[in-house]
Amino acid sequence: GQNIDQPTEMTATEGAIVQINCTYQTSGFNGLFWYQQHAGEAPTFLSYNVLDGLEEKGRFSSFLSRSKGYSYLLLKELQMKDSASYLCAVRPSGGSYIPTFGRGTSLIVHP
Amino acid sequence: GAGVSQTPSNKVTEKGKYVELRCDPISGHTALYWYRQSLGQGPEFLIYFQGTGAADDSGLPNDRFFAVRPEGSVSTLKIQRTERGDSAVYLCASSARTGFNEQFFGPGTRLTVL
Repeated sequence: GQNIDQPTEMTATEGAIVQINCTYQTSGFNGLFWYQQHAGEAPTFLSYNVLDGLEEKGRFSSFLSRSKGYSYLLLKELQMKDSASYLCAVRPSGGSYIPTFGRGTSLIVHP
Repeated sequence: GAGVSQTPSNKVTEKGKYVELRCDPISGHTALYWYRQSLGQGPEFLIYFQGTGAADDSGLPNDRFFAVRPEGSVSTLKIQRTERGDSAVYLCASSARTGFNEQFFGPGTRLTVL
């Protein structure tokens, strides 16, 4: 089975930097996804990490440490439109390779 | 190009009724997934299709839930004898290959069972 843990809610100020953490315990690991989900909308893909290290994509970066079962999503130069839920999802190494989602972190960006 | 579409966007039904939820995946995507999402939770896996066959239905909560994908494209999630606890947003996603690619999600169907 898989256990994924994320903070329930975070707040930050426009223009600032925020780091959203995700820890996981899995029986096998084959990649970690981050998705963004605005209220009432579908999740949209942000990043995918399968090797240790930092992947940077514009204002968003994602980090993975497989030995620690840990990932974070870093959002820079926060904008009001970044207020959303951020979902961490882990793909197992066997079976159907179906990603399991965490409950998500609700990020509130205020002026 | 068109993304994943789902109909209806909202469905209100009475306890005990039967409902069907439809998903139209991105053209050419062979993998299709159904998830259920309750308020404040992440998507919960229900069933996955590779082509026409259900490759993994381990997430279906009980035998009231069933899904089909007869021609390997459109899928229908069917819920019999609905219960109030079935109320949630039902999300459909598709990907070019099983799990190895990002999943593209549809807007969801909000099901409310009164």
